[in-house]
Amino acid sequence: SQQGEEDPQALSIQEGENATMNCSYKTSINNLQWYRQNSGRGLVHLILIRSNEREKHSGRLRVTLDTSKKSSSLLITASRAADTASYFCATEPNFGNEKLTFGTGTRLTIIP
Amino acid sequence: DTGVSQDPRHKITKRGQNVTFRCDPISEHNRLYWYRQTLGQGPEFLTYFQNEAQLEKSRLLSDRFSAERPKGSFSTLEIQRTEQGDSAMYLCASSLELLEAFFGQGTRLTVV
Repeated sequence: SQQGEEDPQALSIQEGENATMNCSYKTSINNLQWYRQNSGRGLVHLILIRSNEREKHSGRLRVTLDTSKKSSSLLITASRAADTASYFCATEPNFGNEKLTFGTGTRLTIIP
Repeated sequence: DTGVSQDPRHKITKRGQNVTFRCDPISEHNRLYWYRQTLGQGPEFLTYFQNEAQLEKSRLLSDRFSAERPKGSFSTLEIQRTEQGDSAMYLCASSLELLEAFFGQGTRLTVV
């Protein structure tokens, strides 16, 4: 079963605008990761945020984590056409065998 | 190191045939994951290894699926007596414990 749920399922914005995607999960975690996937390709790792971190930046990406609400958000600033892709969050639980479990994804379309 | 490598990239097989996929992880990565992804969905966990030990196998995996990771290096995923429902992208990823996972480009399986 999917651990995480991304919201919205699909998002279309104009180039240059900011895009925000949210992820909710169910169990306590060691870390949460965001990935990008272009159509028909493998997943590309974007950013990892640990359970004791609240915010992390990488270039135009900003990720926040609220462990009390079991949620995370990914903000892409100044979007570009090349950002068009599906975005997934993945969590590593902090109990048992910590396998990486993915959410259902947000399909982001940047309109030139 | 060139990253995670999967072979073949595409496989078309007749229903009832057996198929085997190979994944070469990033060297020194002790974790190796197999996922399955269908169109419009997030990656679904199949199984994962820590070194040569298979730590968990998803309930999604029937007895027709088997995975190995001899000597903790490359891994193979075999599907016996393929069915049309097995058609999907099979993704392999590797990581060091508690760090980000790196994905291969996947093997697209089509069962006809």
